[in-house]
Amino acid sequence: GAVVSQHPSRVICKSGTSVKIECRSLDFQATTMFWYRQFPKQSLMLMATSNEGSKATYEQGVEKDKFLINHASLTLSTLTVTSAHPEDSSFYICSAPQGGIQYFGPGTRLTVT
Amino acid sequence: GQQLNQSPQSMFIQEGEDVSMNCTSSSIFNTWLWYKQDPGEGPVLLIALYKAGELTSNGRLTAQFGITRKDSFLNISASIPSDVGIYFCAGSKAAGNKLTFGGGTRVLVKP
Repeated sequence: GAVVSQHPSRVICKSGTSVKIECRSLDFQATTMFWYRQFPKQSLMLMATSNEGSKATYEQGVEKDKFLINHASLTLSTLTVTSAHPEDSSFYICSAPQGGIQYFGPGTRLTVT
Repeated sequence: GQQLNQSPQSMFIQEGEDVSMNCTSSSIFNTWLWYKQDPGEGPVLLIALYKAGELTSNGRLTAQFGITRKDSFLNISASIPSDVGIYFCAGSKAAGNKLTFGGGTRVLVKP
């Protein structure tokens, strides 16, 4: 199956700072990638659709100025959490489709202190 | 956001038992997928279903895409300890499109 990686796997940052998370499709190209957030013991909730070469599409209730998405190449999408606060602490997971199937990255655990 | 209704929320299994879980939706999905997620990791695809009525197996796993396109079930036969984890159903309007997830079924081992 296709492989999607994320970096970093874990990050701890101070309140008010920004954090960038990378999502890469390793053996295929993806014009679209998806970013999800998962709080403890909950399901995955879609945050936004990342579109290569154009603006991301955000789900209702997700602040686009807080969660900046850049999809500059066919294998890389980045999510930047700006001015992070403790309530942004979560597990962030990306996915990329290949052959009609969504393949997920291993996730990034963000802790904001 | 919308979620699929997945049940049960949790279940205890004993090795060798069969396990069943299902998902329902108020709207139609054209693709149903089942994923397993281990703690601290991303979901891993178990089975993908593309056609209403389709019944697909993957080893001890069997899943069906409901004829109304509003539901799906997953069965695990003869469970083993490594079946422990969280199982999610997910639906999309078209293959490769964004997914809507169920709330998850947490499978635990009977003490």
